[in-house]
Amino acid sequence: KAGVTQTPRYLIKTRGQQVTLSCSPISGHRSVSWYQQTPGQGLQFLFEYFSETQRNKGNFPGRFSGRQFSNSRSEMNVSTLELGDSALYLCASSLVRDKNYGYTFGSGTRLTVV
Amino acid sequence: GENVEQHPSTLSVQEGDSAVIKCTYSDSASNYFPWYKQELGKGPQLIIDIRSNVGEKKDQRIAVTLNKTAKHFSLHITETQPEDSAVYFCAASKSSAAGNKLTFGGGTRVLVKP
Repeated sequence: KAGVTQTPRYLIKTRGQQVTLSCSPISGHRSVSWYQQTPGQGLQFLFEYFSETQRNKGNFPGRFSGRQFSNSRSEMNVSTLELGDSALYLCASSLVRDKNYGYTFGSGTRLTVV
Repeated sequence: GENVEQHPSTLSVQEGDSAVIKCTYSDSASNYFPWYKQELGKGPQLIIDIRSNVGEKKDQRIAVTLNKTAKHFSLHITETQPEDSAVYFCAASKSSAAGNKLTFGGGTRVLVKP
């Protein structure tokens, strides 16, 4: 069974640009969450999608957005990149909707903003 | 919102010894407590989880205990091996039809010395 796939693995962008990251969940998983991981702030929740609807959002500025497609694949977008957006962006998928269950993480996309 | 504190931040043990990592949480409504292991270049991997209706759970060399009254939970690794060296994260979450999110502790870097 394939795991959570995130593409690309590495990205280098310039300040002011925008970026789109992709996540393919485990087959059958309909919940997809995104997290930002930095040395200073640790793992922080960005947002969660279920059946193409954003159900929960973390404390990030509006420059961070996401969406989920009918096949459960998800993308997140960061506009007007800042140096502080450099981080490992992790996607996690889960099978169940209303009950916390074992979230499976992908290997992440390492974004560097220069 | 939920706040999770994790101690210690680093832990060095001799191979074969036990390792204990402790976490406290602030939201008494939290009812799901997973532990993740993250190796270099990889995303967090779920190693064990516990729900609030259970006080203890064990899986081979790994065990987790939960004290709801004190709002703390711990990870115990027995007979540590070099491959247990990694960063470990605790997390807390509460079930909600409005969406689920994990709040992570700051992580513990575990080094098992052969």
